[in-house]
Amino acid sequence: DAGVTQSPTHLIKTRGQQVTLRCSPKSGHDTVSWYQQALGQGPQFIFQYYEEEERQRGNFPDRFSGHQFPNYSSELNVNALLLGDSALYLCASSGQQGTEAFFGQGTRLTVV
Amino acid sequence: QKEVEQNSGPLSVPEGAIASLNCTYSDRGSQSFFWYRQYSGKSPELIMSIYSNGDKEDGRFTAQLNKASQYVSLLIRDSQPSDSATYLCAVVGQAGTALIFGKGTTLSVSS
Repeated sequence: DAGVTQSPTHLIKTRGQQVTLRCSPKSGHDTVSWYQQALGQGPQFIFQYYEEEERQRGNFPDRFSGHQFPNYSSELNVNALLLGDSALYLCASSGQQGTEAFFGQGTRLTVV
Repeated sequence: QKEVEQNSGPLSVPEGAIASLNCTYSDRGSQSFFWYRQYSGKSPELIMSIYSNGDKEDGRFTAQLNKASQYVSLLIRDSQPSDSATYLCAVVGQAGTALIFGKGTTLSVSS
């Protein structure tokens, strides 16, 4: 049983560019959430997708957008990258609301 | 702003001792509580979930929940050097489905 998979694992982008990160949820899960984790901090919630709709959103600007596909996989897009967007981006999948969420290995994004 | 508070540590314990990690949360309506372990450079790994008041044991780990005091704790018995990591407390608030994380407590187990 494959767990949550994310791609790519590492990425270096230039300030002002756009980036797309991808996530495939754990088998049987239909909900995907994205988090940003800066060094030394806990993960911060970006948004959550369920049934191809954004169900909940954290305190992140509109530069951060997402999508969920019919097979439950998801993408996170960040436009106009800033140096401060450098972080570990984590995808988590879960089943029913409020139940256990499992994380992928993360994508380390560096903006230079 | 709903918050989850943890002592950042580091918490240092000798091998074989009990490590006690604590967490408080501000949303009184929270219903789901989780502990994640995160090794340096890796992603968080779920180690315990708890949904009702009291204790829940799984191997060397015991999670304790007190909703009246808005307090969650994690006990690690017979601590091993491999338990050295950052432990993240996460809460699902009443209003939503997102995990709200604390900043994590760094645990160091010395042999």
